[in-house]
Amino acid sequence: GAGVSQSPSNKVTEKGKDVELRCDPISGHTALYWYRQRLGQGLEFLIYFQGNSAPDKSGLPSDRFSAERTGESVSTLTIQRTQQEDSAVYLCASSWDRPMVDNEQFFGPGTRLTVL
Amino acid sequence: AQRVTQPEKLLSVFKGAPVELKCNYSYSGSPELFWYVQYSRQRLQLLLRHISRESIKGFTADLNKGETSFHLKKPFAQEEDSAMYYCALQGAQKLVFGQGTRLTINP
Repeated sequence: GAGVSQSPSNKVTEKGKDVELRCDPISGHTALYWYRQRLGQGLEFLIYFQGNSAPDKSGLPSDRFSAERTGESVSTLTIQRTQQEDSAVYLCASSWDRPMVDNEQFFGPGTRLTVL
Repeated sequence: AQRVTQPEKLLSVFKGAPVELKCNYSYSGSPELFWYVQYSRQRLQLLLRHISRESIKGFTADLNKGETSFHLKKPFAQEEDSAMYYCALQGAQKLVFGQGTRLTINP
C-alpha cells in the first residue's frame, strides 16, 4: 500500500530564499511529525500535529520555521529566509494516535535541503 | 516529562562479537518503548517494540523498569547490522526519540 511520501526529494536553494516542503501521510493517520536530520546527526523533533488539537511546535528552532496541516491530510513545512545551517534532511512521519495503544510511526523518504 | 537518553553516539564492534546499544528513559507513567533503525539509504523503520517481546534480526530488548532502561542486544553481530539505531518512548503524548547510536560492525 501507499506509504508516507514527501516532495521534493531534493531541494537546492540560495541563502535567503523561502522553501516549502510537502508531506503526504498514510491515509487515516491522525498524527503527523516533522523531524530534521543533519548530516551524521540524530533526529531532531520539529513539530507534531495530532488530529484537531493545537500542534506541538516546541521543536521549531526559530520563527523562520512554520508548518501547516490541512485536516488530517497533507502537511507543509515552510522555512523562510533560509540559512546554510538549515541544510539537512527533513523527515516526515505519520501514525495512528490512539491512547494507550502502540502507535508505530511510518517515515517518509525525506527531503534533502541544501542551502548554498 | 518524557525523555530518552542514548549515551553512546557511536559504537563499533567486530563481526561475531556481542553488541549492546544502551537506552535509558524518564517517564512517570507506564511507557511503551521501541527501537527504530535506519540502514544506509533506507527509510527509518520500526525494528521492535517491547510489548511484543519479539526477536527481530536476532535483536532483543528487555524493559527494565527498575533501571528505567531498554537496552538493545544481539549476541553475534553481523556486518548488515551497521546502521543508525534510535530508542523511542510513547507516553501519554507524542512519541519521543533518543539522539541515536551509529553502530558500525567491522569485518
